[in-house]
Amino acid sequence: NAGVTQTPKFQVLKTGQSMTLQCAQDMNHEYMSWYRQDPGMGLRLIHYSVGAGITDQGEVPNGYNVSRSTTEDFPLRLLSAAPSQTSVYFCASSYGTGKNEQFFGPGTRLTVL
Amino acid sequence: AQRVTQPEKLLSVFKGAPVELKCNYSYSGSPELFWYVQYSRQRLQLLLRHISRESIKGFTADLNKGETSFHLKKPFAQEEDSAMYYCALEYGNKLVFGAGTILRVKS
Repeated sequence: NAGVTQTPKFQVLKTGQSMTLQCAQDMNHEYMSWYRQDPGMGLRLIHYSVGAGITDQGEVPNGYNVSRSTTEDFPLRLLSAAPSQTSVYFCASSYGTGKNEQFFGPGTRLTVL
Repeated sequence: AQRVTQPEKLLSVFKGAPVELKCNYSYSGSPELFWYVQYSRQRLQLLLRHISRESIKGFTADLNKGETSFHLKKPFAQEEDSAMYYCALEYGNKLVFGAGTILRVKS
Protein backbone atom coordinates (compact mmCIF):
# COMPACT_ATOMS: atom_id res chain seq x y z
CA ASN A 1 0.00 0.00 0.00
CA ALA A 2 1.27 3.46 -0.91
CA GLY A 3 -0.81 5.05 1.86
CA VAL A 4 -1.48 8.76 1.29
CA THR A 5 0.27 10.27 -1.71
CA GLN A 6 0.54 13.94 -2.65
CA THR A 7 1.73 15.62 -5.82
CA PRO A 8 3.62 17.74 -6.51
CA LYS A 9 6.24 17.83 -3.75
CA PHE A 10 7.23 21.40 -4.56
CA GLN A 11 5.52 24.16 -6.53
CA VAL A 12 6.22 27.81 -7.24
CA LEU A 13 3.36 29.97 -8.49
CA LYS A 14 2.94 33.58 -9.42
CA THR A 15 0.22 35.65 -7.78
CA GLY A 16 -3.08 35.06 -9.53
CA GLN A 17 -2.24 31.67 -10.97
CA SER A 18 -4.41 28.67 -10.21
CA MET A 19 -3.38 25.11 -9.52
CA THR A 20 -4.54 21.84 -8.04
CA LEU A 21 -2.76 19.90 -5.34
CA GLN A 22 -3.44 16.20 -5.69
CA CYS A 23 -4.08 13.80 -2.84
CA ALA A 24 -4.88 10.12 -3.12
CA GLN A 25 -5.16 7.24 -0.65
CA ASP A 26 -5.41 3.51 -1.24
CA MET A 27 -6.68 2.48 2.19
CA ASN A 28 -10.40 2.89 1.41
CA HIS A 29 -10.67 5.60 4.05
CA GLU A 30 -13.92 7.53 4.23
CA TYR A 31 -12.47 10.63 5.90
CA MET A 32 -9.99 12.90 4.11
CA SER A 33 -8.74 16.36 4.95
CA TRP A 34 -6.37 19.15 3.96
CA TYR A 35 -4.19 21.18 6.30
CA ARG A 36 -1.73 23.97 5.89
CA GLN A 37 1.32 24.18 8.13
CA ASP A 38 2.79 27.58 8.91
CA PRO A 39 5.59 28.41 11.38
CA GLY A 40 4.25 29.22 14.82
CA MET A 41 0.71 28.25 13.86
CA GLY A 42 0.78 24.48 13.68
CA LEU A 43 -1.57 22.76 11.26
CA ARG A 44 -4.83 24.43 10.33
CA LEU A 45 -7.71 22.58 8.72
CA ILE A 46 -8.72 23.90 5.29
CA HIS A 47 -11.42 21.46 4.13
CA TYR A 48 -12.47 17.96 4.96
CA SER A 49 -14.68 15.19 3.59
CA VAL A 50 -16.48 12.36 5.36
CA GLY A 51 -17.11 10.45 2.15
CA ALA A 52 -17.45 10.67 -1.61
CA GLY A 53 -19.70 13.57 -2.62
CA ILE A 54 -19.51 15.25 0.81
CA THR A 55 -17.18 18.12 1.70
CA ASP A 56 -17.17 20.75 4.39
CA GLN A 57 -15.15 23.75 5.44
CA GLY A 58 -12.48 23.77 8.08
CA GLU A 59 -10.82 26.61 9.91
CA VAL A 60 -9.25 28.43 6.93
CA PRO A 61 -11.24 27.61 3.76
CA ASN A 62 -11.06 30.96 1.95
CA GLY A 63 -9.23 30.82 -1.38
CA TYR A 64 -9.47 27.03 -1.63
CA ASN A 65 -11.93 24.63 -3.23
CA VAL A 66 -12.24 20.88 -2.89
CA SER A 67 -14.29 18.09 -4.37
CA ARG A 68 -14.60 14.40 -3.58
CA SER A 69 -15.87 12.49 -6.56
CA THR A 70 -14.24 9.20 -5.50
CA THR A 71 -13.25 7.65 -2.19
CA GLU A 72 -9.59 7.65 -3.21
CA ASP A 73 -9.02 11.24 -4.36
CA PHE A 74 -9.38 14.60 -2.66
CA PRO A 75 -7.83 17.41 -4.73
CA LEU A 76 -7.32 20.91 -3.37
CA ARG A 77 -7.71 23.81 -5.80
CA LEU A 78 -6.21 27.24 -5.40
CA LEU A 79 -8.36 29.51 -7.53
CA SER A 80 -6.16 32.61 -7.62
CA ALA A 81 -2.94 32.15 -5.66
CA ALA A 82 -1.83 34.81 -3.20
CA PRO A 83 1.47 35.18 -1.29
CA SER A 84 -0.46 34.46 1.94
CA GLN A 85 -1.02 30.94 0.61
CA THR A 86 2.70 30.20 0.72
CA SER A 87 2.79 27.21 3.04
CA VAL A 88 3.29 23.48 3.36
CA TYR A 89 0.11 21.57 2.60
CA PHE A 90 -0.70 18.19 4.09
CA CYS A 91 -3.41 15.78 3.12
CA ALA A 92 -4.61 13.18 5.62
CA SER A 93 -7.07 10.32 5.68
CA SER A 94 -8.64 8.06 8.26
CA TYR A 95 -11.07 5.25 8.62
CA GLY A 96 -14.54 6.50 9.51
CA THR A 97 -14.41 9.89 11.15
CA GLY A 98 -12.00 12.55 12.33
CA LYS A 99 -11.86 10.82 15.71
CA ASN A 100 -9.69 8.03 14.31
CA GLU A 101 -5.98 7.96 13.62
CA GLN A 102 -5.09 10.33 10.79
CA PHE A 103 -2.60 9.10 8.19
CA PHE A 104 -0.70 11.97 6.64
CA GLY A 105 0.84 12.46 3.24
CA PRO A 106 4.40 13.72 2.74
CA GLY A 107 3.31 17.30 2.09
CA THR A 108 3.52 19.82 -0.75
CA ARG A 109 5.66 22.92 -0.31
CA LEU A 110 4.02 25.81 -2.15
CA THR A 111 5.58 29.20 -2.74
CA VAL A 112 3.53 32.04 -4.22
CA LEU A 113 5.57 34.94 -5.53
CA ALA B 1 -13.94 28.72 20.23
CA GLN B 2 -12.03 25.49 20.32
CA ARG B 3 -8.35 26.06 20.85
CA VAL B 4 -5.20 24.09 21.65
CA THR B 5 -2.27 25.84 23.29
CA GLN B 6 1.26 24.52 23.42
CA PRO B 7 3.16 27.21 25.32
CA GLU B 8 6.69 26.06 24.51
CA LYS B 9 8.09 26.40 21.00
CA LEU B 10 11.25 24.56 21.98
CA LEU B 11 12.07 22.21 24.82
CA SER B 12 15.67 21.15 25.20
CA VAL B 13 16.64 18.40 27.67
CA PHE B 14 19.54 16.08 28.27
CA LYS B 15 19.34 12.38 27.53
CA GLY B 16 17.94 10.54 30.51
CA ALA B 17 16.12 13.58 31.91
CA PRO B 18 12.33 13.63 32.34
CA VAL B 19 10.25 15.31 29.64
CA GLU B 20 6.92 17.10 29.89
CA LEU B 21 5.38 18.71 26.83
CA LYS B 22 2.50 20.94 27.84
CA CYS B 23 -0.88 21.07 26.11
CA ASN B 24 -3.94 22.99 27.21
CA TYR B 25 -7.25 23.05 25.40
CA SER B 26 -10.49 24.98 25.40
CA TYR B 27 -13.62 23.02 24.55
CA SER B 28 -16.98 22.94 26.23
CA GLY B 29 -17.80 19.35 25.28
CA SER B 30 -16.14 16.02 26.02
CA PRO B 31 -12.75 16.25 24.29
CA GLU B 32 -11.01 13.75 22.07
CA LEU B 33 -7.32 14.53 22.39
CA PHE B 34 -4.28 13.31 20.53
CA TRP B 35 -0.53 13.73 20.34
CA TYR B 36 1.02 13.60 16.88
CA VAL B 37 4.76 13.53 16.21
CA GLN B 38 6.88 14.44 13.22
CA TYR B 39 10.41 13.03 13.21
CA SER B 40 13.00 14.53 10.86
CA ARG B 41 12.25 13.60 7.24
CA GLN B 42 9.25 11.49 8.25
CA ARG B 43 5.53 11.99 7.98
CA LEU B 44 3.39 13.30 10.75
CA GLN B 45 2.08 10.30 12.69
CA LEU B 46 -0.09 9.53 15.66
CA LEU B 47 1.80 9.02 18.91
CA LEU B 48 -1.10 8.43 21.27
CA ARG B 49 -4.70 9.34 22.01
CA HIS B 50 -6.23 9.85 25.40
CA ILE B 51 -9.02 7.35 24.92
CA SER B 52 -6.49 4.52 24.53
CA ARG B 53 -4.78 5.25 27.85
CA GLU B 54 -1.69 3.45 26.62
CA SER B 55 2.02 4.15 26.70
CA ILE B 56 3.76 4.49 23.34
CA LYS B 57 7.58 4.65 23.15
CA GLY B 58 7.55 5.33 26.88
CA PHE B 59 5.29 8.39 26.52
CA THR B 60 2.06 8.83 28.44
CA ALA B 61 -0.53 11.58 28.55
CA ASP B 62 -3.30 12.03 31.05
CA LEU B 63 -6.40 14.05 30.40
CA ASN B 64 -7.07 16.49 33.24
CA LYS B 65 -10.53 17.96 32.63
CA GLY B 66 -10.28 20.26 35.66
CA GLU B 67 -7.15 21.92 34.33
CA THR B 68 -8.14 21.33 30.66
CA SER B 69 -4.72 19.85 30.03
CA PHE B 70 -3.28 16.87 28.20
CA HIS B 71 0.44 17.04 28.93
CA LEU B 72 2.79 14.50 27.34
CA LYS B 73 5.33 12.92 29.66
CA LYS B 74 8.27 10.58 29.49
CA PRO B 75 10.43 9.72 32.51
CA PHE B 76 13.73 9.31 30.65
CA ALA B 77 14.30 11.10 27.34
CA GLN B 78 16.17 9.39 24.52
CA GLU B 79 17.97 11.06 21.62
CA GLU B 80 15.56 9.43 19.18
CA ASP B 81 12.70 11.34 20.84
CA SER B 82 13.93 14.54 19.18
CA ALA B 83 11.06 15.68 16.97
CA MET B 84 8.18 18.13 16.58
CA TYR B 85 5.20 17.27 18.76
CA TYR B 86 1.66 18.47 18.13
CA CYS B 87 -1.28 18.25 20.49
CA ALA B 88 -4.66 18.03 18.74
CA LEU B 89 -8.32 18.24 19.71
CA GLU B 90 -11.11 16.61 17.70
CA TYR B 91 -14.63 17.98 17.65
CA GLY B 92 -17.35 17.41 15.10
CA ASN B 93 -15.01 15.70 12.63
CA LYS B 94 -12.58 18.61 12.75
CA LEU B 95 -9.08 18.50 14.18
CA VAL B 96 -7.56 21.56 15.83
CA PHE B 97 -3.79 21.45 16.31
CA GLY B 98 -1.58 23.38 18.64
CA ALA B 99 1.41 25.32 17.30
CA GLY B 100 3.74 22.45 18.14
CA THR B 101 6.76 22.00 20.40
CA ILE B 102 10.19 21.02 19.15
CA LEU B 103 11.79 18.56 21.54
CA ARG B 104 15.56 18.46 21.37
CA VAL B 105 17.30 15.74 23.39
CA LYS B 106 20.98 16.43 23.90
CA SER B 107 23.58 13.75 24.55
